[in-house]
Amino acid sequence: ELKVEQNPLFLSMQEGKNYTIYCNYSTTSDRLYWYRQDPGKSLESLFVLLSNGAVKQEGRLMASLDTKARLSTLHITAAVHDLSATYFCAVDPFQGAQKLVFGQGTRLTINP
Amino acid sequence: GAVVSQHPSWVICKSGTSVKIECRSLDFQATTMFWYRQFPKQSLMLMATSNEGSKATYEQGVEKDKFLINHASLTLSTLTVTSAHPEDSSFYICSALWRGGLSYEQYFGPGTRLTVT
Repeated sequence: ELKVEQNPLFLSMQEGKNYTIYCNYSTTSDRLYWYRQDPGKSLESLFVLLSNGAVKQEGRLMASLDTKARLSTLHITAAVHDLSATYFCAVDPFQGAQKLVFGQGTRLTINP
Repeated sequence: GAVVSQHPSWVICKSGTSVKIECRSLDFQATTMFWYRQFPKQSLMLMATSNEGSKATYEQGVEKDKFLINHASLTLSTLTVTSAHPEDSSFYICSALWRGGLSYEQYFGPGTRLTVT
């Protein structure tokens, strides 16, 4: 059975701190995606990781992919309140069919 | 980036009635669109793949007679929830697949919140 598991599911942290969200998946995937969702809103695309060892950075967020370990990480540097949201990873296990399978989501709360 | 719209953004209906949700790709053509459902504080679950000019393919456990999908043009897919019940209350999100050469990306609509009373 295909599983995409995020850890942790809930994260409360202080501004200025660093933290990492982990995404493990159980099958091969062409790509790995990271999305952000604000309450009551749809998904905002953050990163698409295409190959083993891929690393992408945007502002205080950095995502990496290890396809051999079937693990992706989303690292938050010097968190600010505006980054409070739910973060999802997703994989495309069907060779480009784009039938995405999402992780459970990590609800991130950043306190002043 | 490409834009995908949904209409309505929210809808309240009575149990037993049907509701239609539209998903449009505004600045590109999409032969493939997807419909997801998200219950409160849960993840997104793929319901079905909508293919222009052919029947939709449904994921296991999704009733195709209850969730009717029509992809009549390259920019429009509709999801009709028939004989809605309170347990169908959810956030429905569509996406449209953009393809350009070897590149492709899925763009998500803003979602439709359905409440069945």
